[in-house]
Amino acid sequence: ETGVTQSPTHLIKTRGQQVTLRCSSQSGHNTVSWYQQALGQGPQFIFQYYREEENGRGNFPPRFSGLQFPNYSSELNVNALELDDSALYLCASSLGGQLEAFFGQGTRLTVV
Amino acid sequence: KQEVTQIPAALSVPEGENLVLNCSFTDSAIYNLQWFRQDPGKGLTSLLLIQSSQREQTSGRLNASLDKSSGRSTLYIAASQPGDSATYLCAAPWGKAAGNKLTFGGGTRVLVKP
Repeated sequence: ETGVTQSPTHLIKTRGQQVTLRCSSQSGHNTVSWYQQALGQGPQFIFQYYREEENGRGNFPPRFSGLQFPNYSSELNVNALELDDSALYLCASSLGGQLEAFFGQGTRLTVV
Repeated sequence: KQEVTQIPAALSVPEGENLVLNCSFTDSAIYNLQWFRQDPGKGLTSLLLIQSSQREQTSGRLNASLDKSSGRSTLYIAASQPGDSATYLCAAPWGKAAGNKLTFGGGTRVLVKP
């Protein structure tokens, strides 16, 4: 059984650019959630995907968008990057959203 | 709306002392509560999940309790070791229908001194 994997691990982008982050969920898990963690703070919920459909969204603007594929892997896309988007982006997978959430190692995004 | 608070934000103890980490939440209709460990710059490692029907959960040196009526959960780590140094986060779902869209506390940063 493989765990949750995220790519890339680190990324540097320029303000105004677009970025795509990727997440492979744990084997058998059909729910993927994305979180943003600013330095020194707890993670903030961005959105969740369940069976390829968005299943809830936190207080993030529309330039944060996502996708889930038939194999339950997922992408997080951020358009028009801002300096405040610099953070650790975490992906979590679970089975049906009712049980324990398992997190990947995160992608560290730096916007300059 | 569920709000989760962790106090203190940082804690330093000598090796061997027991650790007591606190987590408070506002919505007592909690479905479950999960404790995580985070090493610097890394992802989250799940430590314990307590279902709403449970009052505590144990794994090795770790014990977590849940008191819904008071809106509190406590993580106990017995006989702390330098390797326990990390940030500990608690998280609760928005509600039963929300699955595990989690609301996190700000974390408690723990330093265990040899």
